[in-house]
Amino acid sequence: QKEVEQDPGPLSVPEGAIVSLNCTYSNSAFQYFMWYRQYSRKGPELLMYTYSSGNKEDGRFTAQVDKSSKYISLFIRDSQPSDSATYLCAMKGRTQGGSEKLVFGKGTKLTVNP
Amino acid sequence: DTEVTQTPKHLVMGMTNKKSLKCEQHMGHRAMYWYKQKAKKPPELMFVYSYEKLSINESVPSRFSPECPNSSLLNLHLHALQPEDSALYLCASSLRSGGPTGELFFGEGSRLTVL
Repeated sequence: QKEVEQDPGPLSVPEGAIVSLNCTYSNSAFQYFMWYRQYSRKGPELLMYTYSSGNKEDGRFTAQVDKSSKYISLFIRDSQPSDSATYLCAMKGRTQGGSEKLVFGKGTKLTVNP
Repeated sequence: DTEVTQTPKHLVMGMTNKKSLKCEQHMGHRAMYWYKQKAKKPPELMFVYSYEKLSINESVPSRFSPECPNSSLLNLHLHALQPEDSALYLCASSLRSGGPTGELFFGEGSRLTVL
């Protein structure tokens, strides 16, 4: 079983829609959870960083972590064409190999149509 | 704008060339990273430096040689690369390498093509 699972999509929505992006994970040692946005041919940009379970809101973005279900989500409200990008979940804690490093999901490619 | 600066943005090299990628950050971060990213794949960790010491080497071939001259600079020296090494090379930094301050900030990347 992979440590982090993320549906690669692609996901296509109309402008103004609410977008829900999700990841599941298997390693209960993960404690720190991040969402990155990556535009084509650019480096990943940190969007949200959360520690342990709960919600965090930043403008149109809300990150949720449910450690009991090993499930994290990113919600985008009032989506805009400029939100079109690949969204990568990432999490950190002791990996199955014993080291502490960031583990990425495969990324979900999102397109918001005007 | 990202506060992690990578140069060059694009690099084309032959298999016998020697070149270097450079990364700089001035956020006072003490952990720096090199990642490799192929098209439509997530970044793959190559090296981690913590307080200027190499702490993680993900079994990267010796044709990639990292160097951390000081806490703000990170280099990746390239020698005798193969065409399959063509990828986007990303530098990242974090306040510390572990614990709650571990969120990574990435640069724009150096796109490498090996002919």
